[in-house]
Amino acid sequence: KQEVTQIPAALSVPEGENLVLNCSFTDSAIYNLQWFRQDPGKGLTSLLLIQSSQREQTSGRLNASLDKSSGRSTLYIAASQPGDSATYLCAVVGNEKLTFGTGTRLTIIP
Amino acid sequence: SAVISQKPSRDICQRGTSLTIQCQVDSQVTMMFWYRQQPGQSLTLIATANQGSEATYESGFVIDKFPISRPNLTFSTLTVSNMSPEDSSIYLCSVVEGLVVTEAFFGQGTRLTVV
Repeated sequence: KQEVTQIPAALSVPEGENLVLNCSFTDSAIYNLQWFRQDPGKGLTSLLLIQSSQREQTSGRLNASLDKSSGRSTLYIAASQPGDSATYLCAVVGNEKLTFGTGTRLTIIP
Repeated sequence: SAVISQKPSRDICQRGTSLTIQCQVDSQVTMMFWYRQQPGQSLTLIATANQGSEATYESGFVIDKFPISRPNLTFSTLTVSNMSPEDSSIYLCSVVEGLVVTEAFFGQGTRLTVV
């Protein structure tokens, strides 16, 4: 059974800093991995999708990497802003189902 | 990308009552998914709603408690029946787009509080 873990569970950093969020999964037989953002009490917004054959994807200040063999993905956020404060979730896709990580609650301090 | 509208966005309900959540997608999709997110937890898949057949429920979820309808390829409903405070959660519907590369999209969620 796939298990997805995100470390740290919570993170606070001053505005302007670069930061890295981590995601690890136990079964490397995945189709792709997706990073989401969730604001309090709201739904999920898709940030980046990495196919299993890819090693990284970039969108603006966000860069996600994938190392399937080691079961790890990272989300790098450059020049953080207060508007980046949210919970970040990673999810792996296998057998048409998503398995979600536990999430990292990010707070950017102005 | 798919645009998903979910209603209601939030509700406060009395225990013992039922609430039906609606999910409308702006394009035709084969499968729609319903998730539950309990306070402080990650998302758990409740069931997959297939058009023209019964929903497929995950372990721990039963049709009597969470009946699902899927009348066409753009719409689905999830009912939370005989609610108790333990049902207080965010409920989300989701679709997956793409054949070779599948990407998931979510509605804005329904925040349910049972008192």
